[in-house]
Amino acid sequence: DQQVKQNSPSLSVQEGRISILNCDYTNSMFDYFLWYKKYPAEGPTFLISISSIKDKNEDGRFTVFLNKSAKHLSLHIVPSQPGDSAVYFCAASRRGDYKLSFGAGTTVTVRA
Amino acid sequence: KAGVTQTPRYLIKTRGQQVTLSCSPISGHRSVSWYQQTPGQGLQFLFEYFSETQRNKGNFPGRFSGRQFSNSRSEMNVSTLELGDSALYLCASTTTGPNTGELFFGEGSRLTVL
Repeated sequence: DQQVKQNSPSLSVQEGRISILNCDYTNSMFDYFLWYKKYPAEGPTFLISISSIKDKNEDGRFTVFLNKSAKHLSLHIVPSQPGDSAVYFCAASRRGDYKLSFGAGTTVTVRA
Repeated sequence: KAGVTQTPRYLIKTRGQQVTLSCSPISGHRSVSWYQQTPGQGLQFLFEYFSETQRNKGNFPGRFSGRQFSNSRSEMNVSTLELGDSALYLCASTTTGPNTGELFFGEGSRLTVL
């Protein structure tokens, strides 16, 4: 049962514009959310996270928004750069579970 | 500081065989997790170990097993391989656990089952 869903398998955006990636979850017990980025032939790398007690977290060009009532989070990348072209995974965890539940990923392509 | 090291990086097996994958976590990290990545499925959780104890296991058949040694290194084993086991197997480590800390992933072991 997929508890974390990324319904857009791909996203194409022009360099300099905003990229918005979406993620939905079904388990209301999740209390921590993360985004990972993955290049081909490399392992995923951590990008940004947010606790369920917050609704926004910002780190440079990356901002994550959490809407607990809608069980929805999004990642904004502004401005998008060619190096941002990668697969982005949304993940969620619940204290005591000792695991992350991942979405299927969204492939972002930034066009010059 | 060295990252998470996984060996082998690539391997090809035939159905019915077994395979053992190895993971050396970042020095000082005591939690090691394993994930299976297949196209369109994202990363599926296999198991997590901390100080040689398995704290959680994903929904995989008993053919998938793992262990952690006293130096925090971990291995996972898949017996009686099936074609559907072809995937990228990722190991990740963190200091105390994956709940609130970021996971540091290795580059993965790409398993092909023929």
